[in-house]
Amino acid sequence: KAGVTQTPRYLIKTRGQQVTLSCSPISGHRSVSWYQQTPGQGLQFLFEYFSETQRNKGNFPGRFSGRQFSNSRSEMNVSTLELGDSALYLCASSLEQRRDTEAFFGQGTRLTVV
Amino acid sequence: KQEVTQIPAALSVPEGENLVLNCSFTDSAIYNLQWFRQDPGKGLTSLLLIQSSQREQTSGRLNASLDKSSGRSTLYIAASQPGDSATYLCATLPVGGSQGNLIFGKGTKLSVKP
Repeated sequence: KAGVTQTPRYLIKTRGQQVTLSCSPISGHRSVSWYQQTPGQGLQFLFEYFSETQRNKGNFPGRFSGRQFSNSRSEMNVSTLELGDSALYLCASSLEQRRDTEAFFGQGTRLTVV
Repeated sequence: KQEVTQIPAALSVPEGENLVLNCSFTDSAIYNLQWFRQDPGKGLTSLLLIQSSQREQTSGRLNASLDKSSGRSTLYIAASQPGDSATYLCATLPVGGSQGNLIFGKGTKLSVKP
């Protein structure tokens, strides 16, 4: 059974550009969440999608957005990139049949903004 | 607002030693607590999930306990090996939060010396 797949693994972008990251959840999983990990702040929740609807959103500016498709694949977009957006972006999927189910993470996308 | 703390931030032990990693949380109203392992530059690997109604979970040399009343969880690693070297993170899913909104500690970086 394939795990959570994130593409690309690495990205280098220039300030002011925009970027799109992709996440394919485990087959059958309908909940996809995104997290930002930095050395200073640790892991911070960005947003969660379930059945193509954003169900929850963390405390990030509107430059960060996302969407989920009918096959549960999700994308997140960051516009007008800033140096501080350099981070490891992690995607997690879960079954969401019960609230106590396990979250499974992908390998992440390392974004570097120069 | 839930806060998760992990102490110590770093730990170095000789191979073969049994060790305990600590995780504390401020709000006992949680659906579950999950322990993860993260290797440098990689994603998170789920180790153990403890549901709110459970007291402990075991997997191989790992044992995790949960005491909601005191807001504490411990991860016990028996007979540590150099391959156990990684950062260990705990995360809670607060009641009222949606499935994806895990609250993470900053992690304990474990180094096991041969």
